[in-house]
Amino acid sequence: GAGVSQSPSNKVTEKGKDVELRCDPISGHTALYWYRQRLGQGLEFLIYFQGNSAPDKSGLPSDRFSAERTGESVSTLTIQRTQQEDSAVYLCASSLGLGTGSNYGYTFGSGTRLTVV
Amino acid sequence: LAKTTQPISMDSYEGQEVNITCSHNNIATNDYITWYQQFPSQGPRFIIQGYKTKVTNEVASLFIPADRKSSTLSLPRVSLSDTAVYYCLVGASDSSYKLIFGSGTRLLVRP
Repeated sequence: GAGVSQSPSNKVTEKGKDVELRCDPISGHTALYWYRQRLGQGLEFLIYFQGNSAPDKSGLPSDRFSAERTGESVSTLTIQRTQQEDSAVYLCASSLGLGTGSNYGYTFGSGTRLTVV
Repeated sequence: LAKTTQPISMDSYEGQEVNITCSHNNIATNDYITWYQQFPSQGPRFIIQGYKTKVTNEVASLFIPADRKSSTLSLPRVSLSDTAVYYCLVGASDSSYKLIFGSGTRLLVRP
């Protein structure tokens, strides 16, 4: 597609429920990143994918968070047993190149605003 | 942890040139320096990227000294619509694959 698409754009869920957030990167982009941004705060790195592989999961806040990517395309971020502190905007970005050693910039989606009540 | 240091906020007036400097003392040899702009309720948007010296595009210029320990984003003749948060980005200290954003600079452009 023309840009990075994230769905849903807004999600309200009850505490304790599981949620799945979806990211459709730009076609052909091998690198994919997930970030969390709390209200008024900066971007918190969660995880990155190189193809379908996630070499470093240390940015995930807890074991309730998981992510996968298939077909070097769509990625899903899953949060189990949601807590109120999970409320944030979750942003996805993709690029042709991986990391800052690449001269490709990253294109971000508009994010999913998650509210846990 | 973020490897960059930027001013927390800056104020300017329409029509002025704005320069935002970012310190990245421990930048890796192969790291590019990238700047992003973020408006409220939107994802960050790529502005400009460079490795050394000067880069210019239709919206900004990026100045990088020879030691690459800092970079300066220059926005010519800002308008009200340039009010946003600006982030500079280099690789994380343990991996250039982990893109760690700093706190950013909140630019307010006044009429």
